[in-house]
Parts: sequence; C-alpha cells; structure tokens
Amino acid sequence: EDKVVQSPLSLVVHEGDTVTLNCSYEVTNFRSLLWYKQEKKAPTFLFMLTSSGIEKKSGRLSSILDKKELFSILNITATQTGDSAVYLCGAGWYSGAGSYQLTFGKGTKLSVIP
Amino acid sequence: DTAVSQTPKYLVTQMGNDKSIKCEQNLGHDTMYWYKQDSKKFLKIMFSYNNKELIINETVPNRFSPKSPDKAHLNLHINSLELGDSAVYFCASSQPRTAMNTEAFFGQGTRLTVV
Repeated sequence: EDKVVQSPLSLVVHEGDTVTLNCSYEVTNFRSLLWYKQEKKAPTFLFMLTSSGIEKKSGRLSSILDKKELFSILNITATQTGDSAVYLCGAGWYSGAGSYQLTFGKGTKLSVIP
Repeated sequence: DTAVSQTPKYLVTQMGNDKSIKCEQNLGHDTMYWYKQDSKKFLKIMFSYNNKELIINETVPNRFSPKSPDKAHLNLHINSLELGDSAVYFCASSQPRTAMNTEAFFGQGTRLTVV
C-alpha cells in the first residue's frame, strides 16, 4: 500500500496564483520529510523537515510538517512559469531491520500558465 | 565534481539482453539507493544499500540485482530485459546516521529503452 500520498496529482494555475501541495505519510520509525522539485532530469532538493510546526522558507516556497497528523504542505506564492515541475514528497524512515529507507509519493505535477 | 554520477545517461537495447548501469558517489555517504521512475513520474524504490545491509523492494523482479564493489559504488545489473523495464533509473545517496539529517542526492538518471 502507499506509504506516502500526495495531492493533487496535477494542478494547473495562472502566474501569480498561490498553490498548496499536500503530502500525507504513514511510515513507522519516521525520521524526516523531504520535498524535491523535478523538472527535466534529477530531482533537486527543496526542504527537509524533522520537527512539527516549524516553517521552512526559501524565497516564494515554504513548507511545514505536522507529525501528529502525519502530513506536510508545500506552499508556493506568486507562482511563475519556472515553477512548473513535478514536486515530490518523500518520507525517511527506518525499517524493522534498522535500515534507512526513503519512500516517495507519486508527485504533484504543477503547470503554471502565463 | 558531480556528487552522484550515473553512466550511461541513455541506454537503448533489445529485449532479452543483459545490461548494467553504474553509479558512483563522492560524498562519503553510507547509504545508496536505486529508484525506477515510470512515464507517470512515480519514483519507486528498488533497493537501498549500506555497507552492511541490502534492502530489496519485494516487488522488484529478481532479474534486477545491485552490486556494490565498495561504499562509493552501487551498480545495477539487469538480466533478460523486458519491454516493461523501460524507464528512467535514478541512483541516490544519503547519510542518515549522522547527527544532522541529510537529504538524498540524486544522479542525473539513466533513460533505459528496451525495444
């Protein structure tokens, strides 16, 4: 079953809009929640969240984690066409064997139109 | 210097062939991964490996096997390639066991096309 669920799967907005991307996770021995942006090639790192309620910001992007409700959101304000990409949410967790795992959701495809 | 490098970037091969994709990281990380990304961009874990333990996603066919000659390398061997193996394969590494969490660093991906 899916351990990391992202919504929506796709989203089309106009430049200047604000968007919120959602990520819920259900993993044991949770360690961290990561957001990545993927354009044409490799995913590029955006944020790592380990503590609840502490917002991380980078320019127009921000993210927050709720460890009680097991979800995270990624906000993008004043969207630009360059924000068009697939946004991946991943949960870092330790398996029963003690090995670190990193499981991703299916991604949210964001399209920003002029 | 590229942190995580994969070769080749593109691979086109016929069904039934055996092929390998190489991955090297120069970050000194203990854990490396292989992911398969399908046409819908779903990034699915195949293997995670540190210098002690290999964790295999049970849905991965045994035609796929990781080989790690040393801590900095995790190669992916694929036997008897099938059409459904066509995808982009990403290698990644991370260092989760330090006091500070680190994100996973990804290679540029290998686009495998089986014809």
